[in-house]
Amino acid sequence: DAGVIQSPRHEVTEMGQEVTLRCKPISGHDYLFWYRQTMMRGLELLIYFNNNVPIDDSGMPEDRFSAKMPNASFSTLKIQPSEPRDSAVYFCASSLKGYEQFFGPGTRLTVL
Amino acid sequence: AQKITQTQPGMFVQEKEAVTLDCTYDTSDPSYGLFWYKQPSSGEMIFLIYQGSYDQQNATEGRYSLNFQKARKSANLVISASQLGDSAMYFCAMREGTDKLIFGTGTRLQVFP
Repeated sequence: DAGVIQSPRHEVTEMGQEVTLRCKPISGHDYLFWYRQTMMRGLELLIYFNNNVPIDDSGMPEDRFSAKMPNASFSTLKIQPSEPRDSAVYFCASSLKGYEQFFGPGTRLTVL
Repeated sequence: AQKITQTQPGMFVQEKEAVTLDCTYDTSDPSYGLFWYKQPSSGEMIFLIYQGSYDQQNATEGRYSLNFQKARKSANLVISASQLGDSAMYFCAMREGTDKLIFGTGTRLQVFP
């Protein structure tokens, strides 16, 4: 079975541009999580969904960040406008009934 | 207060030896779960092992075991017979009540020949 799929794997953009990160969870999983990992702050939960509904977005840093899950097999994390401090690795993870989370390979975002 | 504390930023172990990575947690919720993840230099996060707060026995998965001491609020990961491929960052995480995980800061393990 395919694991969590994320695209793109690497993204380099300029400050002020819109960035969209994509995630396909494991089929049948009902939870989806977006994390950000940096050296300074470690692994931070940004937002998570249960059955496509956002449950907790308290980790979203500011209004420039938004996330959607239009169906059970797809989610996006959008940053508009992007800033250099948004540079990080963004992980998507999914789980079944809230148990162990399986992570995607991550998207390494660099904002110049 | 830190919910998950990993006090060892780095650990060294010789190949074939056992190593223990420490993790302490803080919660007042009687129902919680503890997880360990491995992050090799390639960057992916790999789930290793899970322990539920009501589980009577320590969790084991192959060479990984979780030394769960509830009264001390510790959930140490024990890796037996270390291999060079075990060199990685290791993260302890806790789920309390809700479904989200809180991660520790990680321990970098280096296995040498």
